[in-house]
Amino acid sequence: DAGVTQSPTHLIKTRGQHVTLRCSPISGHKSVSWYQQVLGQGPQFIFQYYEKEERGRGNFPDRFSARQFPNYSSELNVNALLLGDSALYLCASSLVTGGGTDTQYFGPGTRLTVL
Amino acid sequence: SQKIEQNSEALNIQEGKTATLTCNYTNYSPAYLQWYRQDPGRGPVFLLLIRENEKEKRKERLKVTFDTTLKQSLFHITASQPADSATYLCALVPFSGGYNKLIFGAGTRLAVHP
Repeated sequence: DAGVTQSPTHLIKTRGQHVTLRCSPISGHKSVSWYQQVLGQGPQFIFQYYEKEERGRGNFPDRFSARQFPNYSSELNVNALLLGDSALYLCASSLVTGGGTDTQYFGPGTRLTVL
Repeated sequence: SQKIEQNSEALNIQEGKTATLTCNYTNYSPAYLQWYRQDPGRGPVFLLLIRENEKEKRKERLKVTFDTTLKQSLFHITASQPADSATYLCALVPFSGGYNKLIFGAGTRLAVHP
């Protein structure tokens, strides 16, 4: 079975631009979470979506937004890019939400570079 | 303030030895603690989960302990191999009431030398 897929793999943008990152979860998984990983640090939680509804939001500015589609795929949008947004953006899927024991499966990530 | 600390310095060990990685946390009351492996340029891969009422969990050559009094988890890899070389991340799952928010440490890089 295919794992979590993300596109694009790499992306270079300039300050002030907007970016859209995409994620397809494992078949049958209804929950998608987004994380930002800056070089040398651990992933930081941005959003979780379950059944097309936002279930959790991390400490990120409103420039970050996301949505989940009926097929459970998801998009992360970042507006007005800053140099500090340069990071690896990870998508994780899980069967359901809540409980904490639900294993999250991470995709390979999208490497975003803001110049 | 809330913190999760992992040894920021790389851990270098000889093949066949046991690697022990530490995860300390402050001002959290985690429901669960998870360990992940991350290779360069790749997403984290889930290894083990331990609940707050469990002391120890094992899976093949891996062992995790969880001491809520010390606010510490130890991750052991026995009979280590060069293929075990990677960054290992610990992640807390707080009692969040309904969603899977993982709070990660910065990770410890493990290098196993032949």
